[in-house]
Amino acid sequence: NAGVMQNPRHLVRRRGQEARLRCSPMKGHSHVYWYRQLPEEGLKFMVYLQKENIIDESGMPKERFSAEFPKEGPSILRIQQVVRGDSAAYFCASSPNAGTSSHEQYFGPGTRLTVT
Amino acid sequence: GQNIDQPTEMTATEGAIVQINCTYQTSGFNGLFWYQQHAGEAPTFLSYNVLDGLEEKGRFSSFLSRSKGYSYLLLKELQMKDSASYLCAVRSYSGGYQKVTFGTGTKLQVIP
Repeated sequence: NAGVMQNPRHLVRRRGQEARLRCSPMKGHSHVYWYRQLPEEGLKFMVYLQKENIIDESGMPKERFSAEFPKEGPSILRIQQVVRGDSAAYFCASSPNAGTSSHEQYFGPGTRLTVT
Repeated sequence: GQNIDQPTEMTATEGAIVQINCTYQTSGFNGLFWYQQHAGEAPTFLSYNVLDGLEEKGRFSSFLSRSKGYSYLLLKELQMKDSASYLCAVRSYSGGYQKVTFGTGTKLQVIP
């Protein structure tokens, strides 16, 4: 059973370009979460999605950032017109369907975005 | 809103015991997680508490007091490989769905 997969693992973009980060959740998981982590800092929640639905995007910057989790295919975090401050590690996590059990979030290896 | 506090850094000696504290304020509490994150890597799950008391798992134990909004992670027989950041995360039920909020993490350095 493959874990959470993210690609690319490293992404370099020039200021003003677009960055597209992909996340394939674990098999059977329909809940996806995106986090951003700056060097030496904690995980900052960005967005929580289920298939074809954005459940909570309270951590997403109002401009330039968008996320989707289509019926087929991976979840995509898209950053338009990147700026140097977007340089960070972006982690995706997934969890199984619903419930109040001990279902933790399983994290992918992250995408390290560098904006030059 | 939610507020999670952990010490920023801690140092402990190889073979010793260290306790990392986490305090939180939240409504709709529905569980507390501890994750370990080595530098440059993804967080990995360590423990989960939803009821008061101590959960033991090998060298790691986690404690929860819901009335006090307090948890700790206890690491015994410290090894050099335990040098990492330890993240406290609180799950709460709000607005019809579960939400997990992470603390900023405690960076633990294990010295010989």
